[in-house]
Amino acid sequence: GENVEQHPSTLSVQEGDSAVIKCTYSDSASNYFPWYKQELGKGPQLIIDIRSNVGEKKDQRIAVTLNKTAKHFSLHITETQPEDSAVYFCAASTDSGGGADGLTFGKGTHLIIQP
Amino acid sequence: DVKVTQSSRYLVKRTGEKVFLECVQDMDHENMFWYRQDPGLGLRLIYFSYDVKMKEKGDIPEGYSVSREKKERFSLILESASTNQTSMYLCASSRRGYTFGSGTRLTVV
Repeated sequence: GENVEQHPSTLSVQEGDSAVIKCTYSDSASNYFPWYKQELGKGPQLIIDIRSNVGEKKDQRIAVTLNKTAKHFSLHITETQPEDSAVYFCAASTDSGGGADGLTFGKGTHLIIQP
Repeated sequence: DVKVTQSSRYLVKRTGEKVFLECVQDMDHENMFWYRQDPGLGLRLIYFSYDVKMKEKGDIPEGYSVSREKKERFSLILESASTNQTSMYLCASSRRGYTFGSGTRLTVV
């Protein structure tokens, strides 16, 4: 089955700096790669996703890049703010996001924004 | 917006009890999932269902069962709770994209 590795487990950055979280996956059939943000006491919330026919996607301060050849994808957050502090999870799926196969998650990154 | 509601935020149960965790979604999604979340292990898939009365094992089904009698409701059952099932349990539903509930933190004592 799919295996998703996520690094680092903890990331501390100064407010205003950029943060990058990296994930690798093992199943070449994976074609949907979402990123979730989980705040304390809440369930994971989708923040951005990318499908395998696209190399990069941006949404304001957040971007995701995908390298299918190397089987890795990354989350980039620019101009970090205190409200970006949370645990971030990457995930992979073979169902193009249609929801039939479930998601395989990385172990999470605790992002800390230092004031 | 899709809403996924888990009936309890916190539960404390005794070892050996039968435990039911309930999840309801309001958007007529076919697919529903149960995950457990543990520190350092991320989210792991327990069971999922793609239709009423259908169920599929995920990566860690041992010690759990599920029930889907109605499309909007997916229940996770711990037949005989054990302390190693103390965890955060997350339900999700999907059609295009996945939506998670807020989780149930279960403690088995």
